[in-house]
Amino acid sequence: NAGVTQTPKFQVLKTGQSMTLQCAQDMNHEYMSWYRQDPGMGLRLIHYSVGAGITDQGEVPNGYNVSRSTTEDFPLRLLSAAPSQTSVYFCASSLPNTDTQYFGPGTRLTVL
Amino acid sequence: AQSVSQHNHHVILSEAASLELGCNYSYGGTVNLFWYVQYPGQHLQLLLKYFSGDPLVKGIKGFEAEFIKSKFSFNLRKPSVQWSDTAEYFCAVRLSGAGSYQLTFGKGTKLSVIP
Repeated sequence: NAGVTQTPKFQVLKTGQSMTLQCAQDMNHEYMSWYRQDPGMGLRLIHYSVGAGITDQGEVPNGYNVSRSTTEDFPLRLLSAAPSQTSVYFCASSLPNTDTQYFGPGTRLTVL
Repeated sequence: AQSVSQHNHHVILSEAASLELGCNYSYGGTVNLFWYVQYPGQHLQLLLKYFSGDPLVKGIKGFEAEFIKSKFSFNLRKPSVQWSDTAEYFCAVRLSGAGSYQLTFGKGTKLSVIP
């Protein structure tokens, strides 16, 4: 049982490049989400999914796309990276209501 | 929209001092409350959670939190901190009920414990 895994751990992009941050969980959790963490800002929700085929926007969705084709995977796509997207990105998953969210180890992204 | 306020940005304590970190939320409905901890270079880990019942909740590593509904507060406490408690602490709230998923986080409080 690996829990929530994220790849890569570190990434450096140039402005305008695109990339996909991977997130996978093996706990059969319905709910998955992406957060970004910036100093002094806490964690802010980017996108979330309540099940395969269902996604919705969080607090800061602009510049990011997601899809959920399987229960296990929830990739986050940056279509055209900007320096403002330099951040640490965390993926999380949970069962509904009575469970807590389990976080992945994070991806540190730098956009030059 | 619900929001979470953590009043202290950075707290510095000596070892063995007592700790209390404030957390207030704004939402009139029934909520679930959480404290997460992030040690340097690591991901978030759950310290404790409150769903219902006894408003005094005990978590891991000697931490506890008290839910005061009338004050919309969920303050984190520890009677005697250790150097290893140096970390960032996040309070989070989630609406209670079927199908409820989204967590709203506070901005975090950085705790530095001086040996």
